[in-house]
Amino acid sequence: DVKVTQSSRYLVKRTGEKVFLECVQDMDHENMFWYRQDPGLGLRLIYFSYDVKMKEKGDIPEGYSVSREKKERFSLILESASTNQTSMYLCASSPVGTQYFGPGTRLTVL
Amino acid sequence: KQEVTQIPAALSVPEGENLVLNCSFTDSAIYNLQWFRQDPGKGLTSLLLIQSSQREQTSGRLNASLDKSSGRSTLYIAASQPGDSATYLCAVVINDYKLSFGAGTTVTVRA
Repeated sequence: DVKVTQSSRYLVKRTGEKVFLECVQDMDHENMFWYRQDPGLGLRLIYFSYDVKMKEKGDIPEGYSVSREKKERFSLILESASTNQTSMYLCASSPVGTQYFGPGTRLTVL
Repeated sequence: KQEVTQIPAALSVPEGENLVLNCSFTDSAIYNLQWFRQDPGKGLTSLLLIQSSQREQTSGRLNASLDKSSGRSTLYIAASQPGDSATYLCAVVINDYKLSFGAGTTVTVRA
């Protein structure tokens, strides 16, 4: 079974803090993704990575950065958290054509 | 840009009734289409994956059809149960990497 884990299920941070969300997969997948999910808006792609140290912007990259130093780990960084980044963050990993999702991190920025 | 629409946004049915969930997409040049289930506060679980060359895919009580030419997919869930209550998401794979998601249909099955 593919396993995608995320470092926290719930996180509360203050405006202006630097926030790290981590995602680890155990299936040696090349591709990894970060999404955010908001009511009525569905899932929106923030960034994805198709290889170690490679990254590409998704549909809503503003205010976020990512890091992929090892194949199994993909980190999402909020350089200076803002209240409009309060959301559910979902990580996924993928061989070609399908994606496997982690349990999500509910981030609240106060 | 690919747009994926799911109607209705919410659905409530009595136990035992068959469920029909609809998904439409604007660009027929898709790699494949995937249906996911999401329980409240949880991640996504893949239910069915239909390749672009296929017309349908079945798993147990679930059946999904795909009509690329009309830009539509339908998920059928037979003999619904309270445990089927969840949000169902349709996603279109538009290349090897990227999925484009609908906003989902939230299903409630009443006992």
